[in-house]
This record gives sequence, structure tokens and C-alpha cells, in this order.
Amino acid sequence: EAQVTQNPRYLITVTGKKLTVTCSQNMNHEYMSWYRQDPGLGLRQIYYSMNVEVTDKGDVPEGYKVSRKEKRNFPLILESPSPNQTSLYFCASRSGTEAFFGQGTRLTVV
Amino acid sequence: GQNIDQPTEMTATEGAIVQINCTYQTSGFNGLFWYQQHAGEAPTFLSYNVLDGLEEKGRFSSFLSRSKGYSYLLLKELQMKDSASYLCAPRETGANNLFFGTGTRLTVIP
Repeated sequence: EAQVTQNPRYLITVTGKKLTVTCSQNMNHEYMSWYRQDPGLGLRQIYYSMNVEVTDKGDVPEGYKVSRKEKRNFPLILESPSPNQTSLYFCASRSGTEAFFGQGTRLTVV
Repeated sequence: GQNIDQPTEMTATEGAIVQINCTYQTSGFNGLFWYQQHAGEAPTFLSYNVLDGLEEKGRFSSFLSRSKGYSYLLLKELQMKDSASYLCAPRETGANNLFFGTGTRLTVIP
């Protein structure tokens, strides 16, 4: 079954404590991306990757890092989380004509 | 860059037909996606149009006019479970990014 798996689904953390949200896909897609979704703002792209070791900034990259050491995994790293990064995060994996989304990670930074 | 416009909210009656419009402005065009998203859940793929005309898929159809920068999603025989947000996402030529509008929240009432 085609899947994009994110972990954790829910996370509450404190300001400044580094965290990683993992994302893994089993479809051998080259293209993966991270979005955050906030009320009234829709889905905004944070970072994307067109292949292994190739990453680039999206619309709202500040405060985030990513890595793409292997095709299936694309973790999102918050080195020093702040309350304005409280949001719902989605990882997506795409072929030419269809994108699959992970289940989402609801992050709260206090 | 992209400019995407959709109505914020719509209400329709169970069993009826509803049309959700999307207008867009892009630097080149390479297809348009429609996604459904229930509250707090991941977006799920509905349709992809790259040529002008209507694409029908069961109760859902999607229309595209590239010259007018216009698309719509048509939902027939509405069911209560169709209450969700519907996201329009055009793709620019040569771009691998998907840019999403803020979406249209559809409420289906009995």
C-alpha cells in the first residue's frame, strides 16, 4: 500500500528544545516536501527535495532544517523551536501527477 | 509566483450539486490539482487536470480552462461526508512545487 508515514502524530515541547519529525515514503518518489498549515493561511511549503542530497527552501523556511540522505526519508528538524512554530505539519511525496500526504503532526511549542 | 482565489465557505444541501470555483494566476502552467481535506486530517487527492475540459470521476468532476485561469470542482449527489475543505493547487511550468489556495470549506446540511 502506498504510504507516507509521519511521526510523531502529536507533540508538545518547550521552547528551545531541538526536535525532529520523521517522514518516510514507500513509493520510491524522488520529490518530497514539508508543509505547515495554520488557520486562515492554508498549506504553506517549508522545504522540498527533488532527490537525494538535493533540498531547497519553500515559502516559510525560517527556523527549520531538512535532510535527504536517502530517497525514502525526509526528516524535518527544528533546532530551537519557538511558539510561532506551533502548527499542523504535513509531509508529502509526489510523482508527476499525484501527491500523497502523511497523516500530519500536530506540534505545540510552549 | 502564484495567486489563487477560492470562496472561503459554501453551504449546500444533501443530495444537491455544488460547484467550487478556483481562479489562478501563474508564471506558466503545468496542471492543476484538487484535494479534499477533512478537519485535522491529511489532504487526499481528488483530481488532476492538465488539458482544457471536464474530467469526470464518479460523483466528482473537475473542469479546467487554461486561457481563463479557471477551474472548478463539481460535486454531485452530495453526502454528509462531503463536508470538508477543498483545495485548489495549480502547478507552474518547470516547478515541482505545489502551491495551495486557502481552500473552500464546504458544509453539507440535511
